[in-house]
Amino acid sequence: KNQVEQSPQSLIILEGKNCTLQCNYTVSPFSNLRWYKQDTGRGPVSLTIMTFSENTKSNGRYTATLDADTKQSSLHITASQLSDSASYICVVSAGSWSGGGADGLTFGKGTHLIIQP
Amino acid sequence: GAGVSQSPSNKVTEKGKDVELRCDPISGHTALYWYRQSLGQGLEFLIYFQGNSAPDKSGLPSDRFSAERTGGSVSTLTIQRTQQEDSAVYLCASSLADRGLYNEQFFGPGTRLTVL
Repeated sequence: KNQVEQSPQSLIILEGKNCTLQCNYTVSPFSNLRWYKQDTGRGPVSLTIMTFSENTKSNGRYTATLDADTKQSSLHITASQLSDSASYICVVSAGSWSGGGADGLTFGKGTHLIIQP
Repeated sequence: GAGVSQSPSNKVTEKGKDVELRCDPISGHTALYWYRQSLGQGLEFLIYFQGNSAPDKSGLPSDRFSAERTGGSVSTLTIQRTQQEDSAVYLCASSLADRGLYNEQFFGPGTRLTVL
């Protein structure tokens, strides 16, 4: 069964500090992996997308890594800001409709990040 | 206002009542998805529309759930005889084309449904 596991479930850090969120997946075949940011009361917004051949991708203070061999991804946030407080969701896409719910996508439950001043 | 919009933003209803949730996708997006997000859970796929093709309804949890998409644009998710376990945030997303490899889904703000 295709699964996406995220850790930690929640995290509290001080403003200005760095943090790393983890995503482990068992989706097969693998097509791509996205990290989404979901602010409270809003829909998820895509931060990065990574394909099999990509190891690192940055979007401002967000840097995602992907190890397709170990099926792990991480999202590193540098110099955190209060506006980074949100849920971060890892979504893995299968290459066909052979897995991942009924739409080829398997969603993690997210990491709830709180930035304290 | 180029984003996905949903209405209402909040809906409180009594058990057994029917509810309708509306989604206006981004203009020009042919693909439309409905998801359900329960507290502490990941997004649960409900239904997918792509152009004029028959919708993929395989994620609908019961026959009390149905959805339509009129004219390839606005979509309505209907829940009949609501139950307390239907309480959740219902998210709509749209994308440019088929659920292909790299098509980004753009999500609406969701409708928070509370069934008393």
